[in-house]
Amino acid sequence: GAVVSQHPSWVICKSGTSVKIECRSLDFQATTMFWYRQFPKQSLMLMATSNEGSKATYEQGVEKDKFLINHASLTLSTLTVTSAHPEDSSFYICSASRIAGDEQFFGPGTRLTVL
Amino acid sequence: AQSVAQPEDQVNVAEGNPLTVKCTYSVSGNPYLFWYVQYPNRGLQFLLKYITGDNLVKGSYGFEAEFNKSQTSFHLKKPSALVSDSALYFCAVRDPYSGAGSYQLTFGKGTKLSVIP
Repeated sequence: GAVVSQHPSWVICKSGTSVKIECRSLDFQATTMFWYRQFPKQSLMLMATSNEGSKATYEQGVEKDKFLINHASLTLSTLTVTSAHPEDSSFYICSASRIAGDEQFFGPGTRLTVL
Repeated sequence: AQSVAQPEDQVNVAEGNPLTVKCTYSVSGNPYLFWYVQYPNRGLQFLLKYITGDNLVKGSYGFEAEFNKSQTSFHLKKPSALVSDSALYFCAVRDPYSGAGSYQLTFGKGTKLSVIP
């Protein structure tokens, strides 16, 4: 149990376009989901925390208008990178918890490349 | 604020030898500590966690970690390394008493483990 999926696993897009990444909890309901960004050979940096049905809480330095997060149901959260630029190229990983404070289960990640 | 330090960027060990991946932490209260493993282009897989109780925690794939409060450490260990253990290992901490951010994980920078055949 406690499987989290992400779609797509990789995406290449042109500069200026928007890209949506989905994060799904397959066998449990997730009241809290987290979005992380990982640069090559670096650690995971928390971007935002989202609770089902409410607005996401963004970490300092993360532009909420650029990285749109929606957590409309207990099994799905989406991250939309708007007007993507090459510097947005990164590995994006989501995680999900049944309840806030519970163990996080991580998705396999999405590799975004912006040309 | 909570923080995690993994002092080694890379650890090399011969197959069959014991391995240790080091982690120290800093939190204001009693920590929740985690180890995760990441294979190339993959997400994180949970290995083990310490919440309370016995300081020696046993986890997946034969790994274990020892919580040492006086040294604020949570080193990951395995008695006999396998080539398939080669991966990136992350230590993470959560401070359950830190208010609104109490369920956020703070990760170390990661340690690349290479097990040599």
